[in-house]
Amino acid sequence: GAGVSQSPSNKVTEKGKDVELRCDPISGHTALYWYRQRLGQGLEFLIYFQGNSAPDKSGLPSDRFSAERTGESVSTLTIQRTQQEDSAVYLCASSRDYATGELFFGEGSRLTVL
Amino acid sequence: AQSVTQLDSQVPVFEEAPVELRCNYSSSVSVYLFWYVQYPNQGLQLLLKYLSGSTLVKGINGFEAEFNKSQTSFHLRKPSVHISDTAEYFCAVITDNYGQNFVFGPGTRLSVLP
Repeated sequence: GAGVSQSPSNKVTEKGKDVELRCDPISGHTALYWYRQRLGQGLEFLIYFQGNSAPDKSGLPSDRFSAERTGESVSTLTIQRTQQEDSAVYLCASSRDYATGELFFGEGSRLTVL
Repeated sequence: AQSVTQLDSQVPVFEEAPVELRCNYSSSVSVYLFWYVQYPNQGLQLLLKYLSGSTLVKGINGFEAEFNKSQTSFHLRKPSVHISDTAEYFCAVITDNYGQNFVFGPGTRLSVLP
């Protein structure tokens, strides 16, 4: 089947606006991860879902960031009142379960906050 | 909590030369270890993984890595690199505790020169 799908692929917004980023994992994958990758930097963990439960929210940078997941399907990452430092590529990955050890990544959503 | 260190942010190497990309981790429990590769303008993909068994792991494109528990290392090697190996390489770790997230290192940019 299809891989991990993310939308939009590119988003340019003005400072202070809210944005929603969507991730469609591979069908049947119970685990879903969000990461942030700033230009020239590594992956910064944001949040992890097992099913629709988020046992680890420790990476969310501030209360402007939130995420939800419907069952074992689509996840939405919402950033409220965007700031310029939020500019980055937001990567979503899914896994059949954590023990398989393989994350399948989407191509990312590039967010630019002007 | 676990962490991952990649000491070399950039590694330039000539084509057909050998290369080693270093990765060290810190964790108080058993870990699973991974190398992911990100080619220019592409998403991340799994290169190889260590879950258990033989400490020498072979991956795609001729890469291999060796798990050294005493030195808490998982260095990536290739005996002869090609121009097409130019990419960003990320080491990652996950503990065997259910629900833990993948922690990625900061990445090493491998540049293969003609």
